[in-house]
Amino acid sequence: KNEVEQSPQNLTAQEGEFITINCSYSVGISALHWLQQHPGGGIVSLFMLSSGKKKHGRLIATINIQEKHSSLHITASHPRDSAVYICAVRSLIQGAQKLVFGQGTRLTINP
Amino acid sequence: DVKVTQSSRYLVKRTGEKVFLECVQDMDHENMFWYRQDPGLGLRLIYFSYDVKMKEKGDIPEGYSVSREKKERFSLILESASTNQTSMYLCASSLTGIAYEQYFGPGTRLTVT
Repeated sequence: KNEVEQSPQNLTAQEGEFITINCSYSVGISALHWLQQHPGGGIVSLFMLSSGKKKHGRLIATINIQEKHSSLHITASHPRDSAVYICAVRSLIQGAQKLVFGQGTRLTINP
Repeated sequence: DVKVTQSSRYLVKRTGEKVFLECVQDMDHENMFWYRQDPGLGLRLIYFSYDVKMKEKGDIPEGYSVSREKKERFSLILESASTNQTSMYLCASSLTGIAYEQYFGPGTRLTVT
C-alpha cells in the first residue's frame, strides 16, 4: 500500500463545475504539498500546508491532520485547469527534506 | 524567481551508452533531487544531495549514480543505459527546513532504444 493515495486517478468535468481531489496518507507528516503538472512536464507548487485551509484564487486546499486527509478544490473550473495534480507529504519518518508523492490525479475540463 | 534548468528536454540513447543528465539551480539551494516519473507510479526519488559532494540514495538508486561538485549543479549518470530506464527525469532543489518547497526543472524525457 502506498503511503500517499490520491483519488480519483482520473477526473473529467465540464467547465464551471466544482472539482474535488482527495489525498490520504498513512504516515506522520510535517507538511503536505499540492503540485500541478501541465502537459510537457513542468511541475509547480500550488500549496504547502500543515494545518487548516489555504486559498489562492479559485483553488482551495484543506488538511485534517487527525484523519490524515487533504483535499484540493477548484471552483468555477476552466479548461486551463486541465493538468495532473499531485499530492506530496514531508514524512517524519523519511526525513524533513524528502517528499513522498501520490500517483497524481489527471484532471480534464471540457469547454 | 527560482530557476531550475535541465540540460535537455528530450534525449534518445542506445542500450549500453553512458548517459549524463545535468541540472542547474540559481538560488543557492542546499538540497537537490533527482526523480523519475512513470505512468501509474508517480514520482520516485533516485538520489538526493544535501550539500556539495554529499549524496543519499533514494528509493530506486540501482543503475544510477550522481555527482555534485558544485552547489548549483547536480548530475545524474546512467552508467550503462537500459530500456527500463526510459522515463521522464525531473530535477528539483530546495532550501533546508520543513517550511521550504521544492522547485522543479522542466524534465528530460529519456528514451533508451
